[in-house]
Amino acid sequence: GAGVSQSPSNKVTEKGKDVELRCDPISGHTALYWYRQSLGQGLEFLIYFQGNSAPDKSGLPSDRFSAERTGGSVSTLTIQRTQQEDSAVYLCASSLFGSDQETQYFGPGTRLLVL
Amino acid sequence: GDSVTQMEGPVTLSEEAFLTINCTYTATGYPSLFWYVQYPGEGLQLLLKATKADDKGSNKGFEATYRKETTSFHLEKGSVQVSDSAVYFCALSTSGGTALIFGKGTTLSVSS
Repeated sequence: GAGVSQSPSNKVTEKGKDVELRCDPISGHTALYWYRQSLGQGLEFLIYFQGNSAPDKSGLPSDRFSAERTGGSVSTLTIQRTQQEDSAVYLCASSLFGSDQETQYFGPGTRLLVL
Repeated sequence: GDSVTQMEGPVTLSEEAFLTINCTYTATGYPSLFWYVQYPGEGLQLLLKATKADDKGSNKGFEATYRKETTSFHLEKGSVQVSDSAVYFCALSTSGGTALIFGKGTTLSVSS
C-alpha cells in the first residue's frame, strides 16, 4: 500500500515568509509525528498527534511553528516568519494505534531552504 | 532526560567486513529500541527493533540485542555489502506512541 507522502519535496523561501508543509499519513494510522533533520542538531521531534487527543507540542522550537491535523488524517506544519536556522529536512511519520504502535513509518521529507 | 549516544562516523569498510555500530542509551523506565537506516536519497526506514531486555532484533543480516545491564543496543552485521552504505540511526521510545529520540547517526561507507 501507499506509504507516508509529503509535499512539497523541496521548498526555497525568503527569510520572513511563511511556509506550509503537508503530510499524508498511511491510511488508517491514527498517530502522526513531525520531526526535523538538520546538520547541526540531528533528528529532533517537533509535534505528535494521536487520534482526537490534544497534540503533544513539546518539541516545537518557537511559537512561529504550528501544526494541525484535519479529520484525523492529513497534517500541515506551518512555519511563520521563516529564519535561516529553519533550513532543514522536515520529516513526517505515522503509526498504527495498537500492538505495533511504536513502529513509525517515515515519509521522504520536505527539504526547506530559507535564503 | 532520555538520550541516545552512538558512535561517530564515518565508518569505512571493505565488502564482506564485519560491522559494529555502537549505541548506548539513557532512559527512565523500560524503553523500546530501534535502528533506522537512511539510504542515499531515500527516507528513513525501520531496520530492526527490540521492545524488552535480552530481545534480539534482526533484519537483512543485521542484528542488535537489547542489553539492559549495559544500556546498549549495538548494531552488527557479519559481512557488509556495498548496498549497505547508508546512515544508521539508533533510537528509543520510552512508551508506546511517543516521539522517538534519535542518536546523531553513523554514516557507513562500504567499498568493493
